[in-house]
Amino acid sequence: EPEVTQTPSHQVTQMGQEVILRCVPISNHLYFYWYRQILGQKVEFLVSFYNNEISEKSEIFDDQFSVERPDGSNFTLKIRSTKLEDSAMYFCASRPGQGGWEQYFGPGTRLTVT
Amino acid sequence: AQSVTQPDIHITVSEGASLELRCNYSYGATPYLFWYVQSPGQGLQLLLKYFSGDTLVQGIKGFEAEFKRSQSSFNLRKPSVHWSDAAEYFCAVGAQAAGNKLTFGGGTRVLVKP
Repeated sequence: EPEVTQTPSHQVTQMGQEVILRCVPISNHLYFYWYRQILGQKVEFLVSFYNNEISEKSEIFDDQFSVERPDGSNFTLKIRSTKLEDSAMYFCASRPGQGGWEQYFGPGTRLTVT
Repeated sequence: AQSVTQPDIHITVSEGASLELRCNYSYGATPYLFWYVQSPGQGLQLLLKYFSGDTLVQGIKGFEAEFKRSQSSFNLRKPSVHWSDAAEYFCAVGAQAAGNKLTFGGGTRVLVKP
C-alpha cells in the first residue's frame, strides 16, 4: 500500500542553523501539507501546497519557513534560522485531489533545536 | 474559524470492553470529519472519515463513528477493545475549500488494561 515517507526520522540542530525536512508524498496525489506537533500540544497546520504554489498557510508559517517541490516527487520544508521553539514533530501529508478529501500522513520528523 | 474539542485527555478501558471517544467540532458549514490514530513512535493513521450521507461510518480496525449535526459531535466507538488499540486518537475537521487544512483536537490517550 502506498505511503508517505519522511526523512530524517530525527534531526538535531543548533539554534540559528538551517534545516530541510524531506517528504515523499504518495504518487499521483496533488495536494501536500506540513503540520507540526510540539510535545504535549495539538497537531497544528502549517501550510498547504498545490500546483507548485502555496494555497494556504498559518500564522506559524512566517518568513523563516519555505516549502518546495523540487523534482516532482519530493516535498520539502525549510526552516532558515531555527529557534528553540521550532522543536517539534513535523508531519507531512498528501491527498489525492478531486473527490479525495482524506489526508495521508507520514511518520514524522522529530526536530530538536539546541 | 473551525475548532475541535476532545474532552477526555485519558481513558482507561479493560480489554474486551467497549470504548467511546468524544469529539465536538465547530465549523460554519457541513464539515469533513476524520479520526486518526497515533501509536507510539508512529505517524497518524486514518481510521475513518465522514463527508456526507449515512451518519454512521465504518472504519478500519473495527471502529465506527456517528455524525450528529444537532450536537456538533463525531464520537468514535469500538464494541470490544483489544490491547493493540492502546494509542492516542485524534479527531479532526477539514475545511471545504481547496486547501482543506485539517484542524485537530487535543487527542485522547487510550490505555487498555488486561
